[in-house]
Amino acid sequence: DAKTTQPNSMESNEEEPVHLPCNHSTISGTDYIHWYRQLPSQGPEYVIHGLTSNVNNRMASLAIAEDRKSSTLILHRATLRDAAVYYCILRALDNTDKLIFGTGTRLQVFP
Amino acid sequence: DSGVTQTPKHLITATGQRVTLRCSPRSGDLSVYWYQQSLDQGLQFLIHYYNGEERAKGNILERFSAQQFPDLHSELNLSSLELGDSALYFCASSVVPGSNTGELFFGEGSRLTVL
Repeated sequence: DAKTTQPNSMESNEEEPVHLPCNHSTISGTDYIHWYRQLPSQGPEYVIHGLTSNVNNRMASLAIAEDRKSSTLILHRATLRDAAVYYCILRALDNTDKLIFGTGTRLQVFP
Repeated sequence: DSGVTQTPKHLITATGQRVTLRCSPRSGDLSVYWYQQSLDQGLQFLIHYYNGEERAKGNILERFSAQQFPDLHSELNLSSLELGDSALYFCASSVVPGSNTGELFFGEGSRLTVL
């Protein structure tokens, strides 16, 4: 599986936008970009995924670079509940939907 | 609530012992995944079962084994336990694998402490 690189930690103030970057320079043409997050003392949860075009859902937006070598998860207005570890994961097209987690970015949100 | 149920939530045992962790996937999900999360190793993929058959294997030790039963629940068996096996063990489920777009739903985990 192709590797992703994320900053270890980021900070934000409540109600401000947050941009979480992810580099994936070895991404292949069929790899989807997935984001999951893990709140304290919980299992990971799905946030968003995309292939080439930018994506929006109720939780976040995903901006994908034109060359697909990087992407950015955007939380439009951070809340205290958004404090979590965010994982950027490349999902290859194979016979399993397993996720290979990296170290992720720990997001702190201050009131 | 993801719909994935894991039992027990907490388990304390001694080195050399054997334990079984149980996972009930979401209704209708055919795939079950097991992950181990320790402080120094992060979230590690262990194994994936689809409709009773092993589909993918990750960093799973030989002392560990898993299976998925006809009713689709899964068990992870950990034997000859060592201190280093202390970790959170997560189970996840999904509907059908292979599309690389499907969402995985994770349970709340089973915390194993080996003393």
